[in-house]
This record gives sequence, structure tokens and C-alpha cells, in this order.
Amino acid sequence: NAGVTQTPKFRILKIGQSMTLQCAQDMNHNYMYWYRQDPGMGLKLIYYSVGAGITDKGEVPNGYNVSRSTTEDFPLRLELAAPSQTSVYFCASTRLVRPSNYGYTFGSGTRLTVV
Amino acid sequence: AQRVTQPEKLLSVFKGAPVELKCNYSYSGSPELFWYVQYSRQRLQLLLRHISRESIKGFTADLNKGETSFHLKKPFAQEEDSAMYYCALRGNTDKLIFGTGTRLQVFP
Repeated sequence: NAGVTQTPKFRILKIGQSMTLQCAQDMNHNYMYWYRQDPGMGLKLIYYSVGAGITDKGEVPNGYNVSRSTTEDFPLRLELAAPSQTSVYFCASTRLVRPSNYGYTFGSGTRLTVV
Repeated sequence: AQRVTQPEKLLSVFKGAPVELKCNYSYSGSPELFWYVQYSRQRLQLLLRHISRESIKGFTADLNKGETSFHLKKPFAQEEDSAMYYCALRGNTDKLIFGTGTRLQVFP
């Protein structure tokens, strides 16, 4: 089991460039999430998805887009990169069970710098 | 609205001392609460879930609905406990919301 796989691990973008952060999970989890982690700010939820074809905004969605065409993949798109998007991005997934007997599995992160 | 508050950015203790990392939450329904740990430059790992009432690596956390708290405790800190600790809440919207984290430093 690979768990949650994020690519790339590191990336430097110029202002105005676009890129897609990839996230894939092989645990058949229906819920997937994107977070950004900034020093002193903890993790902020960008977007999440409760299943294929369904996405919803989190706390800080501006400047990002997502899609969920399959259960396994949940890519995060930055259309016009800005310095404020310099951060570490984490993808996470979980299985929908209430109450949750399962924690959220996190990827290893993508460190993005916009210059 | 969901909110998680971790009032301490940094907590420094000596090895063998007791540790309590504070977490308070704001949520009108019945929350699910978690503690996650992040060791230096690693991914977040689940430490505890409130429904499990378990002890992991000597850590425990009890949900106090009256005080809306979910503090993380360990009676004797170890150097390997040094890490970032995040409290998180999941409400009925299925969003998992994190606090700002507390860095625990355990000195020898």
C-alpha cells in the first residue's frame, strides 16, 4: 500500500505561472482534502472532496482549483501563481465512517516557492 | 462555525516532566476530535482519536464537552516527543479543521 502519494516534492514557480499538484491514494478512500501549511498558521483547508465528481471549498480556496474525476486522484491547480501561495501543501484522505474510526492519512507534502 | 484553538505556540519542558498541550474548540454539534503529530520535516501522523480513548506513546486526551477542551497529556516527557502537535476537529460538514499547532521541545 502506497497510501497517499504527492508529486512533485519540491517546485519553484515564477509569478504568473501555472502548475498542478498531484495527489493519489490507493486505499479506496472517498474523502480527500488539500491543505496548506504556513509557519505559525497551522494547516488551512483549501478544498475537499467527498467523492468522485464532488468538490467543495475549504477555508482558503482563492487562487486554487480542484477536480475529482476518479476516487483515487485529487489534483490541485494553481492558475496564476503568486508569492502568497508559497507554502507546503499536504493532501489527505479518509474513509467516510461516523463516528470516524479512521484517521486521516496524509501525503508527504509539496514544498512550493513562488518567486 | 468550527474553530480549534491551541493557545501555546511553544511548550518547553525537561525530560521526565509532565506535559499538557491545550486544545479548545468551538462547535455547536457533536465534534470528532483528533491529535496529530508532525516530526521534523515529516508528514502528519495521527496520534489520538477521542472516540478511541486510547493511549499512544504514553499520550492521552480526554474530551471535556463542558469546557469544550481536548487537552493532550503525558506524565513523563521524552526527548523523542519533540515535534509539532496539532489538534483537529471534524464536524458534520466533514471538514477537518486544524488548530495552529504547538511545538513541544523536550530538553535532556
